[in-house]
Amino acid sequence: ETGVTQTPRHLVMGMTNKKSLKCEQHLGHNAMYWYKQSAKKPLELMFVYSLEERVENNSVPSRFSPECPNSSHLFLHLHTLQPEDSALYLCASSQTTGGLAGAGNEQFFGPGTRLTVL
Amino acid sequence: DQQVKQNSPSLSVQEGRISILNCDYTNSMFDYFLWYKKYPAEGPTFLISISSIKDKNEDGRFTVFLNKSAKHLSLHIVPSQPGDSAVYFCAASSLSDYKLSFGAGTTVTVRA
Repeated sequence: ETGVTQTPRHLVMGMTNKKSLKCEQHLGHNAMYWYKQSAKKPLELMFVYSLEERVENNSVPSRFSPECPNSSHLFLHLHTLQPEDSALYLCASSQTTGGLAGAGNEQFFGPGTRLTVL
Repeated sequence: DQQVKQNSPSLSVQEGRISILNCDYTNSMFDYFLWYKKYPAEGPTFLISISSIKDKNEDGRFTVFLNKSAKHLSLHIVPSQPGDSAVYFCAASSLSDYKLSFGAGTTVTVRA
């Protein structure tokens, strides 16, 4: 595997279910991100991890719970979601969170998980 | 409050012609700008970037122009090819910040 992978690619869940999204990066990066993309809207940053520590929680409801057990893996645990949480969830990684000065620290994205909450 | 806006949700262009995608931003602290390209069922991929010390950056068929006074940037694709059909996202940040603010995207369709 290369780049950033995400599983599952599609997920349908009821409002009372608990599920998890998984992201893995094979780039040796130290920073990982969760984004949400709703239809026709910009990508919204949800969480940022740097060296396995959470450095950003962008006012995300507690029904979304991230976990970063090591610098290569990132999870998003979901429970009691609402239909409006249906969206494309994208994972990304970058070398560091130390700014975008110069080339080499751009964010690389996975293919996303298309989540539908019934 | 959306700080990066792509006001054209879609663009259709004939193969071989120029595609021009526009992006406006409101935050004067932004000094680094990127374009990402996204195919269906794939994540966005980095295409080209520009810092505020430049007003133009070129990479092959892709050129990004920055007008700081107007807080406007554009992406030119010349010549457009069928493989360029995708969604293009404009993003902005400051050089001291990893956080990106994205536009809503422009869907480009290149007609044969």
